[in-house]
Amino acid sequence: QVTLRESGPALVKPTQTLTLTCTFSGFSLRTSGLCVSWVRQPPGKALEWLALINWNDDKYYNTSLETRLTISKDTSKSQVVLTMTDMDPVDTATYYCARMREPFYYYAMDVWGQGTTVIVSS
Amino acid sequence: VLTQSPEFQSVTPKEKVTISCRASQSIGTSLHWYQLKPHQSPKLLIKFASQSFSGVPSRFRGSGSGTDFTLTIDSLEAEDVATYYCHQTSSLPWTFGQGTKVDLK
Repeated sequence: QVTLRESGPALVKPTQTLTLTCTFSGFSLRTSGLCVSWVRQPPGKALEWLALINWNDDKYYNTSLETRLTISKDTSKSQVVLTMTDMDPVDTATYYCARMREPFYYYAMDVWGQGTTVIVSS
Repeated sequence: VLTQSPEFQSVTPKEKVTISCRASQSIGTSLHWYQLKPHQSPKLLIKFASQSFSGVPSRFRGSGSGTDFTLTIDSLEAEDVATYYCHQTSSLPWTFGQGTKVDLK
């Protein structure tokens, strides 16, 4: 059974750096073609794709946030970490991680974590 | 850019629901549909425009290619009350539509 779980702080102050961890089971990022992606949803707004890392350590970012995002993986711990710098109240959202496969044109994010809510406030 | 219509739809149980998603440029069939309920994570319904994901009820159907796509719920059930999103993985950055909220009359 594939599961993913997000963890991180519920509250961060403006200008701080957010670090979120996705811990997963039921698959390995040593497996060719597998990836983990991050998506967020601000309150009352649409879903927004943030970043992805694949089995080969290739990284892809939403260009609108690229300068603030870093994605990395620890394969031995089955974890993917997303950091976002210079947090702002507009970054208040529920952050999800999800499994993805390659090729991207054919597959969708098929299993998602339950999400973690992050509030940015002083 | 993905544009969904309508933004809201109020329907009666067993009614047919049709949600449109239009892409600003051709994306082939790299279009997927998700269902999102409050306090839950997104659930994949349809991938690659028309392929049902495992375990999804047969009343959910996807169609389309190029720039125009449709999600159809053949006979709405109360448990289908949710917001539905289309999502493209044809080119980076991946994008989502703005969502269509479906509720009961």
